[in-house]
Amino acid sequence: GQSLEQPSEVTAVEGAIVQINCTYQTSGFYGLSWYQQHDGGAPTFLSYNALDGLEETGRFSSFLSRSDSYGYLLLQELQMKDSASYFCAVRDRRSGYALNFGKGTSLLVTP
Amino acid sequence: SQTIHQWPATLVQPVGSPLSLECTVEGTSNPNLYWYRQAAGRGLQLLFYSVGIGQISSEVPQNLSASRPQDRQFILSSKKLLLSDSGFYLCAWRTGRANEKLFFGSGTQLSVL
Repeated sequence: GQSLEQPSEVTAVEGAIVQINCTYQTSGFYGLSWYQQHDGGAPTFLSYNALDGLEETGRFSSFLSRSDSYGYLLLQELQMKDSASYFCAVRDRRSGYALNFGKGTSLLVTP
Repeated sequence: SQTIHQWPATLVQPVGSPLSLECTVEGTSNPNLYWYRQAAGRGLQLLFYSVGIGQISSEVPQNLSASRPQDRQFILSSKKLLLSDSGFYLCAWRTGRANEKLFFGSGTQLSVL
């Protein structure tokens, strides 16, 4: 089966940097994705790592280490609007290539 | 451009009543379609997926069912709702297995009372 572990809550100050970690167990790894979800909203795609290393998209970066079955999402120059839940996800070949999501990390950005 | 429509946005239903949630995708053909459910403050649980018309696979045994009567239409149904069916239901699609990005509908908040 598949499992993903990420912290349930993280709090950080506006302007700071925060890292959200994700460890996974899966058979047949196709890459690690990250999604953002604001309260009451739908998840939206942030980033995807298929290979080891860092992918940067503006203030957000995502890192993957396949040998360690580990990745993280790095958010820089935090803004109040970054308060949301962040989910890591891996693809499941069995389920029409659906994504299996972690339970999510609730990020609270404080002034 | 591709868009996904999901309705209704909110729904309050009594226990034992039927359910029908509809999702349609525009601007693409032969998408993979998915229904997820999210309990309050929890992660997303995959309920059903479909790789083509009339092809439905269930991930979790329950009193819900899904149908795909047309290429870009995905319907989630129940004959008799349970209290435990309450949650946030999300429809999603992707274009084939090579595309990592899942696009989600705006969701339906279902409260079963």
